[in-house]
Amino acid sequence: GDSVTQMEGPVTLSEEAFLTINCTYTATGYPSLFWYVQYPGEGLQLLLKATKADDKGSNKGFEATYRKETTSFHLEKGSVQVSDSAVYFCALLWASGSRLTFGEGTQLTVNP
Amino acid sequence: GAVVSQHPSWVICKSGTSVKIECRSLDFQATTMFWYRQFPKQSLMLMATSNEGSKATYEQGVEKDKFLINHASLTLSTLTVTSAHPEDSSFYICSAETSLSYNEQFFGPGTRLTVL
Repeated sequence: GDSVTQMEGPVTLSEEAFLTINCTYTATGYPSLFWYVQYPGEGLQLLLKATKADDKGSNKGFEATYRKETTSFHLEKGSVQVSDSAVYFCALLWASGSRLTFGEGTQLTVNP
Repeated sequence: GAVVSQHPSWVICKSGTSVKIECRSLDFQATTMFWYRQFPKQSLMLMATSNEGSKATYEQGVEKDKFLINHASLTLSTLTVTSAHPEDSSFYICSAETSLSYNEQFFGPGTRLTVL
């Protein structure tokens, strides 16, 4: 079945450091891919998405490119801020009305 | 736009009582709503999918009689945890989909349930 694998956390960085959180997926075909962010005690917020191969999603300085050759959707940011501290979830979706399949989540802590 | 609310945001109850959690889409009509459960430091686990006016579809291993889902309108779904026990303590999150936004679910802020 479908699955999403994220790099293990937690990840701790200093402010202005470069961030990469790896995400790979296993699926037959080409689902839509998402990154969600969850701040402490809150629900999930959509960070960015890509619906087809080679698409790049971007938002708030974060980027991720849908790579079908490597079945990956790695999240990157050039310069993280303390306010980026949160849990990040990679997910895939086949179609409206169907289930989101989430990765395990990666805890990011950014220190001043 | 596309705001989803949940009520209550947290609840503490005694073992054996029932708790109802509401999920509302505030500014759109939700064709489908989803209920997730999240344990501390873990990912989200889908419990059930519901469409307005029809019975919810539960994931394998989720007890239908324990987690009652009612989707009475296009803007409201409720999850009732019946005869709650301490092991039901968790963070419950709903999400909603609209036909106007392709392949995107909008999440509520979550409800923290603690059963004593």
